Amino acid sequence: RKEVEQDPGPFNVPEGATVAFNCTYSNSASQSFFWYRQDCRKEPKLLMSVYSSGNEDGRFTAQLNRASQYISLLIRDSKLSDSATYLCVVKKYGGATNKLIFGTGTLLAVQP
Amino acid sequence: DAGITQSPRHKVTETGTPVTLRCHQTENHRYMYWYRQDPGHGLRLIHYSYGVKDTDKGEVSDGYSVSRSKTEDFLLTLESATSSQTSVYFCAIAYLDTQYFGPGTRLTVL
Repeated sequence: RKEVEQDPGPFNVPEGATVAFNCTYSNSASQSFFWYRQDCRKEPKLLMSVYSSGNEDGRFTAQLNRASQYISLLIRDSKLSDSATYLCVVKKYGGATNKLIFGTGTLLAVQP
Repeated sequence: DAGITQSPRHKVTETGTPVTLRCHQTENHRYMYWYRQDPGHGLRLIHYSYGVKDTDKGEVSDGYSVSRSKTEDFLLTLESATSSQTSVYFCAIAYLDTQYFGPGTRLTVL
């Protein structure tokens, strides 16, 4: 079983739609959580951190449920420019460094 | 912009040849990382560095070595490239609570 699991999609949605991505993680020692966005043939870029209380950044809302080991990302009013792969990332502490564990990503295609 | 550059950006090489990829950062970050990204696997950590001459292995380190003789440069070497090392390679730095990535190197081993 992978440490971080995501639905690979693709999610095909019309402009203006609301779409939600889910992610589960298996290591209860995971301490920090993030969503990254990756455009085709580009590097991953930090979209937002995920906090236990939930957090919002414009049209994007991230939530964390530690009891269920579950992370979500909600995108409201989808734009064509939101088309990308969204990576769920968990951070594990320990040793000389803190390591990020990446999900394989969920592909979003926003249609005009 | 995390101030990270990678070179070369694209490379095609033959099986058995040595290959060195370079990661350069301008912000004096202590921690640097090398990942590879393949379909169905996400990003996987190859090696990382926590200072000049301080490096350690990641989860997929076989066939790779690294060196860090200066804070700003982290080199990844494939001693004898194999077709299974065809991949996209990303360098990253740690900043605040997470990591920021360079633009990547697309390596093809024929």
